[in-house]
Amino acid sequence: SQTIHQWPATLVQPVGSPLSLECTVEGTSNPNLYWYRQAAGRGLQLLFYSVGIGQISSEVPQNLSASRPQDRQFILSSKKLLLSDSGFYLCAWSVQGKANYGYTFGSGTRLTVV
Amino acid sequence: AQKVTQAQTEISVVEKEDVTLDCVYETRDTTYYLFWYKQPPSGELVFLIRRNSFDEQNEISGRYSWNFQKSTSSFNFTITASQVVDSAVYFCALSEATRGRRALTFGSGTRLQVQP
Repeated sequence: SQTIHQWPATLVQPVGSPLSLECTVEGTSNPNLYWYRQAAGRGLQLLFYSVGIGQISSEVPQNLSASRPQDRQFILSSKKLLLSDSGFYLCAWSVQGKANYGYTFGSGTRLTVV
Repeated sequence: AQKVTQAQTEISVVEKEDVTLDCVYETRDTTYYLFWYKQPPSGELVFLIRRNSFDEQNEISGRYSWNFQKSTSSFNFTITASQVVDSAVYFCALSEATRGRRALTFGSGTRLQVQP
């Protein structure tokens, strides 16, 4: 069966520090991968999505970047965190070319920038 | 561009009341998928239902039911005889099958508080 792992679960980082959040999927190949962010009390905003290794599409200009070094690994990074980067980050995957199969989300990372 | 609107920011009901969460969507695609997710306080997104644009039959699952009306671009969610455990934020979402990116667009969510 397919599973999605996301870590860490919580993170407190000072302003200006770097960030690396990792997401891995097991039990499937060539998935679509997504990073979403949820600011406190807000909805979910799509940050990045990827349809293959090295293929990253950015939805919103921001202080963040994403990479997909392996088929089932998706990394969210920042060189220098801002206070506004605080939020709940969710990774998700879906079957390539099968929008009707739905989306599976990881358990999320709660990031607090102080 | 696709858009999902959940006009109800927060709803508070007393246990055993019925409650309906509204969802209105916009899309230019003829094939699309609609979803509802539940987000309990732990933050994880729990999948509730997926419907495609060609299937307008209403669906019932226990105390949950969904009313999909293409004519009004709405996909409303009703909880019958609400319980305290239903307290959560509920998100409606849309995915287009042929146009644009293959990603979910979420509404802003409705926070449901069920009081004992």
